[in-house]
Amino acid sequence: EAQVTQNPRYLITVTGKKLTVTCSQNMNHEYMSWYRQDPGLGLRQIYYSMNVEVTDKGDVPEGYKVSRKEKRNFPLILESPSPNQTSLYFCASGLGTSGAYEQYFGPGTRLTVT
Amino acid sequence: DAKTTQPTSMDCAEGRAANLPCNHSTISGNEYVYWYRQIHSQGPQYIIHGLKNNETNEMASLIITEDRKSSTLILPHATLRDTAVYYCIVRAAGGTSYGKLTFGQGTILTVHP
Repeated sequence: EAQVTQNPRYLITVTGKKLTVTCSQNMNHEYMSWYRQDPGLGLRQIYYSMNVEVTDKGDVPEGYKVSRKEKRNFPLILESPSPNQTSLYFCASGLGTSGAYEQYFGPGTRLTVT
Repeated sequence: DAKTTQPTSMDCAEGRAANLPCNHSTISGNEYVYWYRQIHSQGPQYIIHGLKNNETNEMASLIITEDRKSSTLILPHATLRDTAVYYCIVRAAGGTSYGKLTFGQGTILTVHP
């Protein structure tokens, strides 16, 4: 089944404890992206990757890192999480070029930082 | 990217067609119309997209006016599981902020039994 998977789905952590949220897709998509969703602010893009070893900042990259060493994986790293990073996170993937906006989203990771 | 305008909310009876309008009067010739929906706290789901011709897939139909200034997403036989927020997004292939989808407020569709 074609899908985007994220792990963990739920995470409660403490300020400053490094964490990684994994994202994997099995559709051989070139494009991958991370969004966060907060009440009243909608979905905001954090980082995106157009292909392996190619990443770029979205609208709210501060406090986050990403890497794209393999086509299928695009982990989101929070080196020193803070409470303002409490949010619902979505990973998405899509074909490159003309298919860039036909994207498939993962189920979400609900992160709470205390 | 062209701005889109959608009604805040709509209701539909189960089994009836749901027609969701979107206005994009400043759309450019190379911009596509995309529709996504998000069921409560789930990941957004791609529905359909089109450039100027009407499109149909297993989920919905997309009707784009001849002048391309507005479009309508049609769910032919709405079910309770179609209750969601529906987003109309206009984007050109390529361009700046490649791949970024900007989700506005969307239309909250409530399907009633």
